[in-house]
Amino acid sequence: QAQLVQSGAEVKKPGASVKVSCKASGYTFSNSYIHWVRQAPRQGLEWMGLIDPRGGSTSHAQKFQGRIAMTRDTSTSTVYMDLYSLRSEDTAVYYCARSNILDGFDIWGQGTTVTVS
Amino acid sequence: DIQMTQSPSSLSASVGDRVAITCRTSQVISSYLNWYQQKPGKAPQLLIYGGTSLQTGVPSRFSGSGGGTDFTLIINNLQPEDSATYYCQQSYSAPRFTFGPGTKVEIK
Repeated sequence: QAQLVQSGAEVKKPGASVKVSCKASGYTFSNSYIHWVRQAPRQGLEWMGLIDPRGGSTSHAQKFQGRIAMTRDTSTSTVYMDLYSLRSEDTAVYYCARSNILDGFDIWGQGTTVTVS
Repeated sequence: DIQMTQSPSSLSASVGDRVAITCRTSQVISSYLNWYQQKPGKAPQLLIYGGTSLQTGVPSRFSGSGGGTDFTLIINNLQPEDSATYYCQQSYSAPRFTFGPGTKVEIK
């Protein structure tokens, strides 16, 4: 069955960068977009950006301009999200999720906790 | 950017009740509205996509209605396992997306 498996928890200092991975399996990797969504403690869901695994094109929310990069490795069906210049407000659980562009996010990773302290 | 509101922000209802959660958008989004359920410590789960389509495997007591700027998630015959936070999300402005602030449903 289709699934997304994310890398483990990270603890980073302010100003550092973090790289979170999301490995897809059980479906054709290039057929669906991969999104990144985060959730700060006791807060709601925040869409961060997406990558099209076919060509690697990306789109992101304006608030992350200059601080986010998303890449993919088609040989391992893995997507990566880099977040730079971390600050305490970036402490959150980061999720990857799959979708076709206008449909809902039907498969989610288990989440990766990033703590900035 | 498309702004989204949900009401109520929280509610408490009894097993067997019918519950309605409303999502409103700042501009017309046709039917590009999805609903998710999230339980504590878990990833969200897609319930409804395209405003009214039930995701495979989701119980039929969940339904979605609406279009334009006003949407509703209905839970019929509320069950104890429906205790969760529910989020709406618009995909009209793809490739940029927005989630609503969430509605917490508690069981009395």
